[in-house]
Amino acid sequence: QVQLQESGPGLVKPSETLSLTCAVSDDSVNSYYWTWIRQPPGKGLEYLGYVYYSGSTNYSPSLEGRLSISIDTSKNQFSLNLTSVTAADTAIYFCARSGTFPYYFDFWSQGTLVTVSS
Amino acid sequence: EIVLTQSPGTLSLSPGETATLSCRASQSVGSAFLAWYQQKPGQGPRLLISGASRRATGVPDRFSGSGSGTDFTLTINRLEPEDFAVYYCQQYGGSPRYTFGQGTRLEI
Repeated sequence: QVQLQESGPGLVKPSETLSLTCAVSDDSVNSYYWTWIRQPPGKGLEYLGYVYYSGSTNYSPSLEGRLSISIDTSKNQFSLNLTSVTAADTAIYFCARSGTFPYYFDFWSQGTLVTVSS
Repeated sequence: EIVLTQSPGTLSLSPGETATLSCRASQSVGSAFLAWYQQKPGQGPRLLISGASRRATGVPDRFSGSGSGTDFTLTINRLEPEDFAVYYCQQYGGSPRYTFGQGTRLEI
C-alpha cells in the first residue's frame, strides 16, 4: 500500500514562501505522477499542480508564477514551493499519486494544515 | 475551465437506504476521465470510482458509478454507518488539468 506523508511548517507569514515535502513509501517516485491538492478549511478541493517522474510539471493557471513542484528521486520525495503567500493560501495541503493513467488520484496523504498569518 | 456542479449539497438518509449523488459538468467529459472520492473528517479523500463506473480496489459493491457526457451519478445502495461522509466528483482534462465538484455531504 503506497503511503504519502507531508512535512513542513504549519505557520507561514504573509509574503513569505510556503514549502512542503511529501515523502513516499512502498512506491518509487521514479514512476507516475505526483500531485499537490489543497482544501481551505470547510471548503472543497483545489488542484495545484503535478510533477511527472521525468521532471515535467503542470500547474493550475491560478497559481502559475507562484508555484513550483520538484521531485527528488534520491530521497523518494517531491516538494511544493508557493511564493508570496496570503491568507487565501491557508488550507489543508494534500499530496497524491496518479498511477499509470493520470486521470485520477489513487493514493492520498492525510493532509497538513498550513496557516498564513503574521 | 470545466466546472463540476454536485447535487444535492446535503443528503440526509438513514442506514439501509439508497443514496443517489449527481455530478453535472459544464461541458462534456470523457467517461475515462471522471472519478468519485469519499472524504471523512481529518482524512484525505479515498478513491471510490474511476472511469465513471470502475470501482477502486477494496470498494464495496454497494457503490456504483454511471453516466456519460455531462451527467454522472454515484449510487450507494444499502447505506452503512461508515458511508456517511462527503463525496466529491473530479474530472481530468482542459485547464486546469483537474477540477473537483464542491462536494455532497451525506448525513444520517
